[in-house]
Amino acid sequence: NAGVMQNPRHLVRRRGQEARLRCSPMKGHSHVYWYRQLPEEGLKFMVYLQKENIIDESGMPKERFSAEFPKEGPSILRIQQVVRGDSAAYFCASSPIQGSEKLFFGSGTQLSVL
Amino acid sequence: AQKITQTQPGMFVQEKEAVTLDCTYDTSDPSYGLFWYKQPSSGEMIFLIYQGSYDQQNATEGRYSLNFQKARKSANLVISASQLGDSAMYFCAMREGDDYKLSFGAGTTVTVRA
Repeated sequence: NAGVMQNPRHLVRRRGQEARLRCSPMKGHSHVYWYRQLPEEGLKFMVYLQKENIIDESGMPKERFSAEFPKEGPSILRIQQVVRGDSAAYFCASSPIQGSEKLFFGSGTQLSVL
Repeated sequence: AQKITQTQPGMFVQEKEAVTLDCTYDTSDPSYGLFWYKQPSSGEMIFLIYQGSYDQQNATEGRYSLNFQKARKSANLVISASQLGDSAMYFCAMREGDDYKLSFGAGTTVTVRA
């Protein structure tokens, strides 16, 4: 799973700032999934993207959160006007095809909102 | 209803002994996949093992094996010959049918004692 690269590893923002989290999937993987982990909890699905398309964003808050996976470059999870409740670990996973058991996660980005 | 239940919040195990982590699941879909991930204190999610609902044999990967009891809807992870490096949080997760989303349990913390 070392192939899924997320950065930054840690991100500190003040309330009201924007947070940008980046994810480069494993080579050959065109399916990207974002999950959020609150303290002491399991991961919760946020959004599923393929190149240039959002397939399912049902787990993502309607306000302030957006995601993209452009033709070139990493997938970006963007959180505008962050609040303390956004503090969490955000994980990206990738797979070669939809529904593959070969689903590997990155090391996550720990977002702390002051 | 909880789709994945991990009833053991924390466990201690002696080095070189085996430990079993419980996981029960709830689904009405005959096709599903079960995953186990390890999350050490550094935070990354490491894929350990996968079991498909139609797989005839229990999955094994090195020191990890999955005790899959379909009728009881349980998918317990067995770690044999525990090592200090096995100390981590362990998550059970499920994907149902053609869905791509994983549902995670709350996790079990394992502490290996020397």
